[in-house]
Amino acid sequence: NAGVTQTPKFQVLKTGQSMTLQCAQDMNHEYMSWYRQDPGMGLRLIHYSVGAGITDQGEVPNGYNVSRSTTEDFPLRLLSAAPSQTSVYFCASSYSRGGETQYFGPGTRLLVL
Amino acid sequence: SQQGEEDPQALSIQEGENATMNCSYKTSINNLQWYRQNSGRGLVHLILIRSNEREKHSGRLRVTLDTSKKSSSLLITASRAADTASYFCATNKQGAQKLVFGQGTRLTINP
Repeated sequence: NAGVTQTPKFQVLKTGQSMTLQCAQDMNHEYMSWYRQDPGMGLRLIHYSVGAGITDQGEVPNGYNVSRSTTEDFPLRLLSAAPSQTSVYFCASSYSRGGETQYFGPGTRLLVL
Repeated sequence: SQQGEEDPQALSIQEGENATMNCSYKTSINNLQWYRQNSGRGLVHLILIRSNEREKHSGRLRVTLDTSKKSSSLLITASRAADTASYFCATNKQGAQKLVFGQGTRLTINP
C-alpha cells in the first residue's frame, strides 16, 4: 500500500491564483482531513470528511474548499491564494472516526508570493 | 485554539539519556495521541492512550495519562540520535470527530 499520497510536493503561486492540492489514500479509510502547519503553531485543521459526500469545516477553513466524491480522494482547493496561505499542508486519514489514529501524507509546501 | 500544550518547547539531551515531554489539555477527552515528525516529513503515529488508561508502553516509549490533572507525559528511554525529531500530542475531545494538536516539543539528541 502507498498509504496517503499528496501532490505536488512543492508549489509557488502568485497572489490571486487558484490551485488544487491532491490527496489520495489506498487504505479504504472513511475519514480524511487537511491540516496546515506553520512555525510555532502546530497543526491546525482546515476541513475534514467522515465519508464520501460528507465534509465539514475545521478550525481554519476560510479561503479553502473541499469535496469528497470518492472514498480515496480528498482534494483541497485554494480559491484565490494569499500570502497568509504560505504553509505546509498535510493530508491525513483514519479508518473510521476522526478521533482515532491518523495516517499522514508527506506534505505539500506552498509559497504564495 | 490549541487543546494540547507541550512542555518543554525544546529539549536537548545526550545520547543514552531519557527524554520526557509533557502535554496538558483543557477538556474531557476520549483519547490522547503522540506523534513524531522528522524534519521535512509528515507526522508518524507513536501511541494512543484512552481516557480509561493510565499508562501504555511501546518499545522504548512510555506514555502516562492523568485525567484528573488533564496531562500526559511521553518518556523515551535510552535515547538515540535517530530520535531527534519534533513530538506532538493530539487530543480527541469527547463528541468530536477530530484531533487537536499541540505546538510540539523539538527534541535533539546529541551524540
